[in-house]
Amino acid sequence: AQTVTQSQPEMSVQEAETVTLSCTYDTSESDYYLFWYKQPPSRQMILVIRQEAYKQQNATENRFSVNFQKAAKSFSLKISDSQLGDAAMYFCAYPRISGGGADGLTFGKGTHLIIQP
Amino acid sequence: DTGVSQDPRHKITKRGQNVTFRCDPISEHNRLYWYRQTLGQGPEFLTYFQNEAQLEKSRLLSDRFSAERPKGSFSTLEIQRTEQGDSAMYLCASRFSGNTIYFGEGSWLTVV
Repeated sequence: AQTVTQSQPEMSVQEAETVTLSCTYDTSESDYYLFWYKQPPSRQMILVIRQEAYKQQNATENRFSVNFQKAAKSFSLKISDSQLGDAAMYFCAYPRISGGGADGLTFGKGTHLIIQP
Repeated sequence: DTGVSQDPRHKITKRGQNVTFRCDPISEHNRLYWYRQTLGQGPEFLTYFQNEAQLEKSRLLSDRFSAERPKGSFSTLEIQRTEQGDSAMYLCASRFSGNTIYFGEGSWLTVV
């Protein structure tokens, strides 16, 4: 079974600074997607960024970028120029095994990101 | 497109009562998922549907839980004889053919 590990329960960053959230995963698959989701307090979970494993180039979405190290099974999220609206729980997610009917995502336990003004 | 809609957003119930949550996925999304999330944890998979067919149920889904998607559109998740351990947020999500799964805002359940 796949596992997703987020080793940082909480991170704090000053507004306008850069922060990196860590994620490692375990899989025997060679082709897959990885995702970072953001869950603000009392609001819905939204997709921040996704990475296709066969692509060597790291995904970027505005201030959000990933550092994808396939061999190390590492998938960290970098947030540049942190803003107060970035405060949320961030979850790393990996697809449940496709094939045999499995579908959906396996999530890490999340990292609570605090933005200090 | 409107997003994934869940109702009710909050439910407080007495132990032993039955509760039902409804999820309306994004229009034309054929796959629908239910997750459970407790405080400080990531969402845990419960079950999913492709159209009206329930294709997988997690071991977390005890026999007190039942989910349906009768016409391949909205879905319901019913919990019978609720227990305090059922207190959690129940998340619904959907997707079409792509890999991105879209989530609703969740339904909070408190069992007292």
